[in-house]
Amino acid sequence: NAGVTQTPKFRVLKTGQSMTLLCAQDMNHEYMYWYRQDPGMGLRLIHYSVGEGTTAKGEVPDGYNVSRLKKQNFLLGLESAAPSQTSVYFCASSFADSPYGYTFGSGTRLTVV
Amino acid sequence: LAKTTQPISMDSYEGQEVNITCSHNNIATNDYITWYQQFPSQGPRFIIQGYKTKVTNEVASLFIPADRKSSTLSLPRVSLSDTAVYYCLVGERAAANNNDMRFGAGTRLTVKP
Repeated sequence: NAGVTQTPKFRVLKTGQSMTLLCAQDMNHEYMYWYRQDPGMGLRLIHYSVGEGTTAKGEVPDGYNVSRLKKQNFLLGLESAAPSQTSVYFCASSFADSPYGYTFGSGTRLTVV
Repeated sequence: LAKTTQPISMDSYEGQEVNITCSHNNIATNDYITWYQQFPSQGPRFIIQGYKTKVTNEVASLFIPADRKSSTLSLPRVSLSDTAVYYCLVGERAAANNNDMRFGAGTRLTVKP
Protein backbone atom coordinates (compact mmCIF):
# COMPACT_ATOMS: atom_id res chain seq x y z
CA ASN A 1 0.00 0.00 0.00
CA ALA A 2 1.21 3.50 -0.81
CA GLY A 3 -0.47 5.13 2.21
CA VAL A 4 -0.72 8.90 1.64
CA THR A 5 0.78 10.25 -1.57
CA GLN A 6 1.34 13.94 -2.22
CA THR A 7 2.10 15.52 -5.57
CA PRO A 8 4.13 17.45 -6.47
CA LYS A 9 7.02 17.12 -4.03
CA PHE A 10 8.51 20.50 -4.90
CA ARG A 11 7.19 23.59 -6.62
CA VAL A 12 8.28 27.18 -7.16
CA LEU A 13 5.57 29.73 -7.92
CA LYS A 14 5.62 33.38 -8.75
CA THR A 15 3.49 35.72 -6.68
CA GLY A 16 -0.05 35.72 -8.00
CA GLN A 17 0.13 32.34 -9.71
CA SER A 18 -2.25 29.56 -8.83
CA MET A 19 -1.68 25.88 -8.23
CA THR A 20 -3.28 22.75 -6.82
CA LEU A 21 -1.68 20.25 -4.48
CA LEU A 22 -3.01 16.72 -4.69
CA CYS A 23 -3.29 14.27 -1.82
CA ALA A 24 -4.31 10.66 -2.40
CA GLN A 25 -4.81 7.89 0.17
CA ASP A 26 -5.52 4.22 -0.37
CA MET A 27 -6.49 3.25 3.18
CA ASN A 28 -10.20 4.02 2.88
CA HIS A 29 -9.86 6.71 5.55
CA GLU A 30 -12.89 8.92 6.14
CA TYR A 31 -10.97 11.97 7.34
CA MET A 32 -8.35 13.97 5.47
CA TYR A 33 -6.35 17.05 6.49
CA TRP A 34 -4.04 19.67 5.07
CA TYR A 35 -1.34 21.14 7.31
CA ARG A 36 1.44 23.62 6.73
CA GLN A 37 4.76 23.64 8.55
CA ASP A 38 7.05 26.64 8.70
CA PRO A 39 10.71 26.49 9.78
CA GLY A 40 11.13 25.59 13.43
CA MET A 41 7.42 25.42 14.01
CA GLY A 42 4.85 22.74 14.48
CA LEU A 43 2.11 21.92 12.02
CA ARG A 44 -0.90 24.17 11.59
CA LEU A 45 -4.19 22.87 10.23
CA ILE A 46 -5.40 24.62 7.06
CA HIS A 47 -8.55 22.71 6.07
CA TYR A 48 -9.95 19.29 6.71
CA SER A 49 -12.64 16.96 5.42
CA VAL A 50 -14.78 14.46 7.31
CA GLY A 51 -16.02 12.72 4.19
CA GLU A 52 -16.54 12.87 0.46
CA GLY A 53 -18.08 16.18 -0.58
CA THR A 54 -17.45 17.90 2.75
CA THR A 55 -14.77 20.37 3.80
CA ALA A 56 -14.21 22.68 6.76
CA LYS A 57 -11.79 25.39 7.87
CA GLY A 58 -8.92 24.75 10.22
CA GLU A 59 -6.66 27.15 12.07
CA VAL A 60 -5.13 29.00 9.06
CA PRO A 61 -7.56 28.73 6.10
CA ASP A 62 -7.13 32.15 4.50
CA GLY A 63 -5.72 32.08 0.97
CA TYR A 64 -6.51 28.39 0.45
CA ASN A 65 -9.41 26.39 -0.91
CA VAL A 66 -10.00 22.65 -0.84
CA SER A 67 -12.16 20.06 -2.48
CA ARG A 68 -12.91 16.41 -1.83
CA LEU A 69 -14.84 15.07 -4.78
CA LYS A 70 -13.68 11.50 -4.16
CA LYS A 71 -13.09 9.78 -0.84
CA GLN A 72 -9.49 9.00 -1.64
CA ASN A 73 -8.47 12.46 -2.86
CA PHE A 74 -8.14 15.82 -1.12
CA LEU A 75 -7.03 18.83 -3.15
CA LEU A 76 -5.53 22.04 -1.79
CA GLY A 77 -5.68 25.10 -4.04
CA LEU A 78 -3.88 28.40 -3.94
CA GLU A 79 -5.73 30.88 -6.14
CA SER A 80 -3.21 33.72 -5.94
CA ALA A 81 0.01 32.66 -4.28
CA ALA A 82 1.78 35.00 -1.86
CA PRO A 83 5.32 34.79 -0.40
CA SER A 84 3.73 34.16 3.02
CA GLN A 85 2.50 30.84 1.66
CA THR A 86 6.05 29.58 1.24
CA SER A 87 6.00 26.49 3.42
CA VAL A 88 6.00 22.72 3.52
CA TYR A 89 2.53 21.30 3.13
CA PHE A 90 1.54 17.96 4.62
CA CYS A 91 -1.55 15.96 3.95
CA ALA A 92 -2.83 13.43 6.46
CA SER A 93 -5.69 10.99 6.73
CA SER A 94 -7.34 8.91 9.43
CA PHE A 95 -10.32 6.79 10.31
CA ALA A 96 -13.08 8.54 12.23
CA ASP A 97 -12.00 6.83 15.45
CA SER A 98 -8.52 5.44 15.24
CA PRO A 99 -6.12 4.09 17.83
CA TYR A 100 -3.33 4.71 15.33
CA GLY A 101 -3.62 8.45 14.86
CA TYR A 102 -3.05 10.12 11.54
CA THR A 103 -1.07 8.88 8.54
CA PHE A 104 0.92 11.65 6.92
CA GLY A 105 2.29 12.11 3.43
CA SER A 106 5.90 13.07 2.75
CA GLY A 107 5.10 16.70 2.07
CA THR A 108 5.20 19.30 -0.69
CA ARG A 109 7.82 22.02 -0.43
CA LEU A 110 6.37 25.19 -1.95
CA THR A 111 8.32 28.37 -2.55
CA VAL A 112 6.57 31.55 -3.67
CA VAL A 113 8.89 34.19 -5.09
CA LEU B 1 -8.71 22.25 24.27
CA ALA B 2 -5.92 20.67 26.25
CA LYS B 3 -2.69 22.58 25.78
CA THR B 4 0.54 20.64 25.94
CA THR B 5 3.97 21.68 27.16
CA GLN B 6 7.12 19.73 26.37
CA PRO B 7 10.84 20.55 26.40
CA ILE B 8 12.16 22.30 23.32
CA SER B 9 15.18 20.05 23.01
CA MET B 10 16.98 17.10 24.59
CA ASP B 11 20.33 15.44 24.03
CA SER B 12 21.19 11.81 24.63
CA TYR B 13 23.79 9.21 23.70
CA GLU B 14 23.45 5.99 21.82
CA GLY B 15 22.28 3.09 23.94
CA GLN B 16 20.65 5.25 26.60
CA GLU B 17 16.98 5.32 27.52
CA VAL B 18 15.30 8.62 26.74
CA ASN B 19 12.24 9.93 28.55
CA ILE B 20 10.34 12.90 27.15
CA THR B 21 7.66 14.36 29.41
CA CYS B 22 4.63 16.26 28.24
CA SER B 23 2.41 18.33 30.53
CA HIS B 24 -1.30 18.62 29.84
CA ASN B 25 -2.92 20.00 32.95
CA ASN B 26 -6.41 20.54 31.50
CA ILE B 27 -6.80 17.19 29.77
CA ALA B 28 -10.46 16.24 29.35
CA THR B 29 -12.13 12.95 30.23
CA ASN B 30 -12.42 11.82 26.61
CA ASP B 31 -8.91 12.88 25.59
CA TYR B 32 -6.20 10.47 24.54
CA ILE B 33 -2.48 11.19 24.43
CA THR B 34 -0.71 10.57 21.14
CA TRP B 35 2.95 10.90 20.23
CA TYR B 36 4.39 11.43 16.78
CA GLN B 37 7.95 11.38 15.45
CA GLN B 38 9.14 13.58 12.60
CA PHE B 39 12.40 13.28 10.69
CA PRO B 40 13.68 16.15 8.52
CA SER B 41 11.87 16.44 5.20
CA GLN B 42 9.28 13.84 6.20
CA GLY B 43 5.77 13.92 7.56
CA PRO B 44 5.14 13.02 11.21
CA ARG B 45 4.81 9.33 12.00
CA PHE B 46 2.54 7.87 14.67
CA ILE B 47 4.48 6.32 17.54
CA ILE B 48 2.06 5.47 20.31
CA GLN B 49 -1.27 6.38 21.85
CA GLY B 50 -2.64 5.87 25.33
CA TYR B 51 -5.37 6.83 27.75
CA LYS B 52 -4.09 5.77 31.17
CA THR B 53 -1.40 3.76 32.97
CA LYS B 54 1.12 2.24 30.57
CA VAL B 55 1.12 1.37 26.91
CA THR B 56 3.98 -0.41 25.17
CA ASN B 57 4.64 -1.29 21.58
CA GLU B 58 7.67 -2.38 19.59
CA VAL B 59 8.96 1.19 19.39
CA ALA B 60 8.24 2.93 22.70
CA SER B 61 6.41 2.98 25.99
CA LEU B 62 3.98 5.59 27.21
CA PHE B 63 3.51 6.19 30.91
CA ILE B 64 0.46 8.08 32.12
CA PRO B 65 -0.06 8.76 35.85
CA ALA B 66 -3.44 8.41 37.48
CA ASP B 67 -4.26 12.14 37.28
CA ARG B 68 -3.38 12.13 33.54
CA LYS B 69 -1.98 15.67 33.77
CA SER B 70 1.27 14.57 32.23
CA SER B 71 2.69 11.72 30.21
CA THR B 72 6.14 10.36 29.47
CA LEU B 73 7.32 8.86 26.22
CA SER B 74 10.11 6.38 26.83
CA LEU B 75 12.46 5.32 24.05
CA PRO B 76 14.62 2.35 25.06
CA ARG B 77 18.27 2.22 23.98
CA VAL B 78 18.19 5.03 21.43
CA SER B 79 20.33 5.03 18.32
CA LEU B 80 21.47 7.83 16.03
CA SER B 81 18.44 7.16 13.85
CA ASP B 82 16.14 8.24 16.69
CA THR B 83 17.29 11.84 16.23
CA ALA B 84 14.04 13.59 15.35
CA VAL B 85 11.35 15.93 16.62
CA TYR B 86 8.76 14.35 18.91
CA TYR B 87 5.28 15.79 19.26
CA CYS B 88 2.84 15.21 22.09
CA LEU B 89 -0.83 15.72 21.22
CA VAL B 90 -3.89 15.53 23.41
CA GLY B 91 -7.39 15.20 22.08
CA GLU B 92 -10.36 12.94 21.51
CA ARG B 93 -9.66 9.85 19.49
CA ALA B 94 -12.76 10.50 17.41
CA ALA B 95 -11.43 12.66 14.61
CA ALA B 96 -14.65 14.65 14.33
CA ASN B 97 -13.93 16.31 17.65
CA ASN B 98 -10.26 16.79 17.06
CA ASN B 99 -9.99 19.27 14.26
CA ASP B 100 -8.49 22.02 16.33
CA MET B 101 -5.84 19.71 17.75
CA ARG B 102 -2.55 21.50 17.67
CA PHE B 103 0.92 20.29 16.86
CA GLY B 104 3.21 22.46 18.98
CA ALA B 105 6.90 22.95 18.33
CA GLY B 106 7.70 19.51 19.71
CA THR B 107 10.87 18.25 21.38
CA ARG B 108 13.97 18.05 19.24
CA LEU B 109 15.90 14.96 20.36
CA THR B 110 19.53 14.71 19.34
CA VAL B 111 21.25 11.37 19.85
CA LYS B 112 25.03 11.55 19.91
CA PRO B 113 27.50 8.73 19.29
